[in-house]
Amino acid sequence: DQQVKQNSPSLSVQEGRISILNCDYTNSMFDYFLWYKKYPAEGPTFLISISSIKDKNEDGRFTVFLNKSAKHLSLHIVPSQPGDSAVYFCAASAQYNFNKFYFGSGTKLNVKP
Amino acid sequence: DAGVTQSPTHLIKTRGQQVTLRCSPKSGHDTVSWYQQALGQGPQFIFQYYEEEERQRGNFPDRFSGHQFPNYSSELNVNALLLGDSALYLCASSLTGQTYTDTQYFGPGTRLTVL
Repeated sequence: DQQVKQNSPSLSVQEGRISILNCDYTNSMFDYFLWYKKYPAEGPTFLISISSIKDKNEDGRFTVFLNKSAKHLSLHIVPSQPGDSAVYFCAASAQYNFNKFYFGSGTKLNVKP
Repeated sequence: DAGVTQSPTHLIKTRGQQVTLRCSPKSGHDTVSWYQQALGQGPQFIFQYYEEEERQRGNFPDRFSGHQFPNYSSELNVNALLLGDSALYLCASSLTGQTYTDTQYFGPGTRLTVL
């Protein structure tokens, strides 16, 4: 069962513009969410996280928004840079299921120079 | 400070064989999780080891087993390999703290091909 979904397999954005990556989840018990970035031949790298007690978390060019009622989160990258081109995974976990993370299928972001 | 390391990088096996994959966690980490990532999919949780015991397990058959050593390194064993076991196997390490929000750091993975 796919509890975390990323419905856009790919996204292409011009350098300098905003990239918006979306993620939906079905399990209302999820209360911690993360975004990972993955380059080819490397493991996923932690990018940013958000707890369900917040609706926004910012770290430099990266901002994650959480809409609990819609069970939706998004990652905004502003401004987008060619080095941001990678596959982005969102992941979720619940306090009752200690450290077990559910991942989406990923969105491949291509930032064009 | 070494990050998470995995060996081997690539592996080719035939159906029915057994395989062992290895993981060394990031320095200072005591928890190791294993994931299977099939082509075009996100990582799927196999199990997690802490204090040399399996703490959590995903929806994987008993053919998948693991071990954690006193130095926190870990092995993933898969018996009676099937074609469907072909995937990238990722190891992630973390430090178990007071909360469950422990960031996991991933290794580069082992690419397993079953023929």
